[in-house]
Amino acid sequence: GDSVTQMEGPVTLSEEAFLTINCTYTATGYPSLFWYVQYPGEGLQLLLKATKADDKGSNKGFEATYRKETTSFHLEKGSVQVSDSAVYFCALSVRDSNYQLIWGAGTKLIIKP
Amino acid sequence: DTAVSQTPKYLVTQMGNDKSIKCEQNLGHDTMYWYKQDSKKFLKIMFSYNNKELIINETVPNRFSPKSPDKAHLNLHINSLELGDSAVYFCASSPVGGQPQHFGDGTRLSIL
Repeated sequence: GDSVTQMEGPVTLSEEAFLTINCTYTATGYPSLFWYVQYPGEGLQLLLKATKADDKGSNKGFEATYRKETTSFHLEKGSVQVSDSAVYFCALSVRDSNYQLIWGAGTKLIIKP
Repeated sequence: DTAVSQTPKYLVTQMGNDKSIKCEQNLGHDTMYWYKQDSKKFLKIMFSYNNKELIINETVPNRFSPKSPDKAHLNLHINSLELGDSAVYFCASSPVGGQPQHFGDGTRLSIL
């Protein structure tokens, strides 16, 4: 079945460091890919998305490129801030599955000043 | 003007009790969801309703029963609460096509 695999956390970085959170997927159809972020005490919110191969999603300095050849959608940011500390979820949806989101396990990111 | 609102935010109760969590969305979305998030942040979908009709019903104990009186509301009733039900429950909604999903702030359920 369809699945999403994320790197395990927590990921701990210093402020202004470069961030990569790995995400790979398995899907039978042509999925859309998403990154959601969950700040402490809050619900999840969409960070960025890509709907077809080679698309790049971007928001708030974060980027991810849909790589069909490596079935990956890695999240990157050039210079992280303390306020980026959160849990990041990679997810996919496939039209044939009624657009149900398939979620990764989440990666906790801790940024130290 | 909160988009997806859940009540209560915290729910502390004893094993064996029955409780309900309410969810309302004012985004005009047709689809609503209930998720369970465990202590390791793992997110599991429980139910999904589209325009008051159940479309996703994952393997969830029969003690959990969703109710959608109209497309803006999706409530979750839980009977005979067990220790393993302790978690954060999130309500979400989405437009046609399923994306993006908008989440409420969650209800933290603690079973004593």
